[in-house]
Amino acid sequence: AQSVTQPDIHITVSEGASLELRCNYSYGATPYLFWYVQSPGQGLQLLLKYFSGDTLVQGIKGFEAEFKRSQSSFNLRKPSVHWSDAAEYFCAVGATGGYNKLIFGAGTRLAVHP
Amino acid sequence: KAGVTQTPRYLIKTRGQQVTLSCSPISGHRSVSWYQQTPGQGLQFLFEYFSETQRNKGNFPGRFSGRQFSNSRSEMNVSTLELGDSALYLCASSLEGGKGLEQYFGPGTRLTVT
Repeated sequence: AQSVTQPDIHITVSEGASLELRCNYSYGATPYLFWYVQSPGQGLQLLLKYFSGDTLVQGIKGFEAEFKRSQSSFNLRKPSVHWSDAAEYFCAVGATGGYNKLIFGAGTRLAVHP
Repeated sequence: KAGVTQTPRYLIKTRGQQVTLSCSPISGHRSVSWYQQTPGQGLQFLFEYFSETQRNKGNFPGRFSGRQFSNSRSEMNVSTLELGDSALYLCASSLEGGKGLEQYFGPGTRLTVT
């Protein structure tokens, strides 16, 4: 069965430090992969997506992610974190059979120290 | 372009009652998906509608239903509410076609069942 694992439930970084959030997926074919961010009391905002092609994808707010098929991973990175990046981050995979069904990981809550 | 809108934003209901939530997709988007978000189960797919037809359904009881209108607006209904139905219900819309899986989320409706 398809699944997404985000091993880190909670991460704390200092403002200005680099960030890497981990995501591993289980999927038989080439996956459609996404990262979303959710601020408290808000919906989900799409940060970036991978469909095919270049395995390093750039997103909004200075985020990037790298697709590694051999490791079944799609880790999210940012070189320098801002206090406003504090939020919950979700990795998702497009489910087999399409029709706009996403399978989400449990999320990683990011705290940023000043 | 206006984003996905959901009404109402907050709702308090009593066990046994029923509730209807509404979602207006981004203009031009024809697919609407619904998700339930709870602290215990995370984000789970409910169903997806396209051109007034349900194309995909998640693993939820029959008390959860939905529909889509000709203008792509969608409603979901939960009958005989249970305490466990307390959740944030998120609606997402997307284009159909090559980027059909790229979903844009609304702010959600927070349902509390007492």
